[in-house]
Amino acid sequence: KQEVTQIPAALSVPEGENLVLNCSFTDSAIYNLQWFRQDPGKGLTSLLLIQSSQREQTSGRLNASLDKSSGRSTLYIAASQPGDSATYLCAVRIGNTGKLIFGQGTTLQVKP
Amino acid sequence: SAVISQKPSRDICQRGTSLTIQCQVDSQVTMMFWYRQQPGQSLTLIATANQGSEATYESGFVIDKFPISRPNLTFSTLTVSNMSPEDSSIYLCSVEGLTSGGYGELFFGEGSRLTVL
Repeated sequence: KQEVTQIPAALSVPEGENLVLNCSFTDSAIYNLQWFRQDPGKGLTSLLLIQSSQREQTSGRLNASLDKSSGRSTLYIAASQPGDSATYLCAVRIGNTGKLIFGQGTTLQVKP
Repeated sequence: SAVISQKPSRDICQRGTSLTIQCQVDSQVTMMFWYRQQPGQSLTLIATANQGSEATYESGFVIDKFPISRPNLTFSTLTVSNMSPEDSSIYLCSVEGLTSGGYGELFFGEGSRLTVL
C-alpha cells in the first residue's frame, strides 16, 4: 500500500530564507508526483508536476526534484515571501485509475 | 489549466438530509474525480466519475452514500446522502488536464465546505 509522508509538518521561517520541503513515498511504482498549495479554507493550486521519467521541474522560485529509487521528492522555495504562507501538499499518482495519494502536508509560515 | 466551478461553496445541513454538489469545467475532460478532505486531514479519493457509466468507488465509499452522476464531459455531481456530523468535510472536484501521453496534471476546484449539524 502506497504511503506518502511529508516532513516537517509545520515550518516557520523569516522572509527571504530559502527552504526545502520533503516528501517520501513507500512504493516507487508511480506515474508522476505533483506538488500543490492549499490556502486556508480553499481548494488546491497545482504548483509542479514531475513525470516518473523526470528528475526535476522548475517554476519561478520553485524547484521540485524526484528520486524514484529512493522514494523521495523535495520542493525548494527560494527567497521565501509572506505570500508563500500556506499548506504544501505532495501527491503521487498510482494505479489504473491514476488516483492521487496525498501526504499530510507541510504548513509553512513566512514571517515578514 | 482547466477552470473548475463548484456549487455550493459552503453549506450547513441538518442530520439525515442529502446535499448535491455540482462541478462544472470550462472544457471537456476525460478524467474527473471527487475527493474528500476531513477537518485537519489530507485528501482522500472518493470515486472516479465516468462519463456515461457508473462511477468507480474507492474502498470505504459506496454508491448509496455518495451517488455520482456524470452526464457529459464537462459536468458531474456528487450527492452526500443521509448526512451525519461525520460527513462534515470539504468535498473537491478534480480533473485531469490535457496530456500528450500518460497521466497529466490534476486540477482542483475551490471545494464545497459542508457542515452537518
